[in-house]
Amino acid sequence: EVQLVESGGGLVQPGGSLRLSCAVSGFTFSSYGMYWVRQAPGKGLVWVSRINGDGSSTGYADSVKGRFTISRDNAKNTLYLQMNSLRAEDTAVYYCARIGLPHTFDIWGQGTMVTVSS
Amino acid sequence: QSALTQPASVSGSPGQSITISCTGTSSDVGGYKYVSWYQQHPGKAPKLMIYDVSDRPSGVSNRFSGSKSGNTASLTISGLQAEDEADYYCSSYTTSSPLRVFGGGTKLTVL
Repeated sequence: EVQLVESGGGLVQPGGSLRLSCAVSGFTFSSYGMYWVRQAPGKGLVWVSRINGDGSSTGYADSVKGRFTISRDNAKNTLYLQMNSLRAEDTAVYYCARIGLPHTFDIWGQGTMVTVSS
Repeated sequence: QSALTQPASVSGSPGQSITISCTGTSSDVGGYKYVSWYQQHPGKAPKLMIYDVSDRPSGVSNRFSGSKSGNTASLTISGLQAEDEADYYCSSYTTSSPLRVFGGGTKLTVL
C-alpha cells in the first residue's frame, strides 16, 4: 500500500526549530518529486517547499525562504523539512505530498500539526 | 492571495449538479492540461478527485467530472450526495516556481 506518514509536529516557541519527517512506503521513493504543503487553521492549501527525486533541485515559498530546508534520504525512504526561526504565522497542518501521474499531488500524508506560540 | 481563483462557496440540493470554477492564466490553467481537483473533509487530508483536467483516479465516483475552457477549469459533481459536502481545491502546473499552484478553495454545502 502506498503511504506517507508525517511526524515531528508539535508546540514550539517563536524563534524555535522543528524537523518534520515524512516516511514513505509502497513505491520507489527516489522516482518521485515531493512537496510540503501547509494549511493554516481555517485557511486553504499553500505550498511550502519542493524537491525532485534525487534531491538535486529544491524550491521554497518566499515566506519560508532562508528559514526552512527541505531534504530527502532515499535510502531511508524519508522526506524532511527543517524549520528554523519559526513564527506564529507558520502555525499550520503540514502535509507531505507526492507528485505523480506525473504532474499531480496524487498521494498525501495525514498531516502533522505545528503550533508556534509562547 | 491564491494564484488560482475559486468561488468561496457553492451549494446544491441532493440529486442536483453543481460546478466549481477555477480561473488562472495562460501560464498555468490555460497553458497545460495538468489541472487537478482535491476534496478535503474537515480534519482530513486532501484527496485527489480529478487529474489532467478530466481524468479520474481509480475508485473515484463517475459523478465527478472535470473540464477546461481557456484559462478556466471546472469541476462538476452530479447527483449530489450528503457525503460530497467538503472543501474543494484546484491545482495547476505552472512554468514558474513553485511549478504548481493552488486555488483558494471552495466550500460545498449540500442543502
